[in-house]
Amino acid sequence: KQEVTQIPAALSVPEGENLVLNCSFTDSAIYNLQWFRQDPGKGLTSLLLIQSSQREQTSGRLNASLDKSSGRSTLYIAASQPGDSATYLCAVSRGLGVFNKFYFGSGTKLNVKP
Amino acid sequence: EAQVTQNPRYLITVTGKKLTVTCSQNMNHEYMSWYRQDPGLGLRQIYYSMNVEVTDKGDVPEGYKVSRKEKRNFPLILESPSPNQTSLYFCASSLQRTGGGNTEAFFGQGTRLTVV
Repeated sequence: KQEVTQIPAALSVPEGENLVLNCSFTDSAIYNLQWFRQDPGKGLTSLLLIQSSQREQTSGRLNASLDKSSGRSTLYIAASQPGDSATYLCAVSRGLGVFNKFYFGSGTKLNVKP
Repeated sequence: EAQVTQNPRYLITVTGKKLTVTCSQNMNHEYMSWYRQDPGLGLRQIYYSMNVEVTDKGDVPEGYKVSRKEKRNFPLILESPSPNQTSLYFCASSLQRTGGGNTEAFFGQGTRLTVV
């Protein structure tokens, strides 16, 4: 069964720092990997989707990488801002016929201090 | 605007009183699913649907029912809610892909359910 782990569980940084959030998964037979942002009491907002054939995706200050063989993904946030404070979730979708089901990590709660 | 809409956003109910949480998407997606989110356990899939009249159990289906009579709607039904179903529920939709392409998932805003 796919297990997704996110480290660290919580992170507090001063504004302006570059930071890296980590995600690891146990079964490399994934179809894609998606990073989400969740604000308190709110839904999930999709940040980046990396298909299994891709190595990375970029959107603004965000860059996500994928290494399927080692079961790892990182989300890099450049020049962090207080508005980046949220919980970041990593999810992998399984391959082998059921491409839409996602397995989620427990998230990294990020606090960016002004 | 592409979106997944859940209702209600908040619900407090009593044990045993049947309830339905609605979910609707406007993106003509085939695949829809329900997740529950609990502290320390992350999001876990309850049920999913690959198209109209096609539904199947996810990882934690006990105590829940779903139906998919129309492509856009996928309600979650709790016939006899119990306190262990107190949770934050999310509906999601995506295009159904069987061999290639983008299956980016879109999520609703969540429904916080409390069963007392």
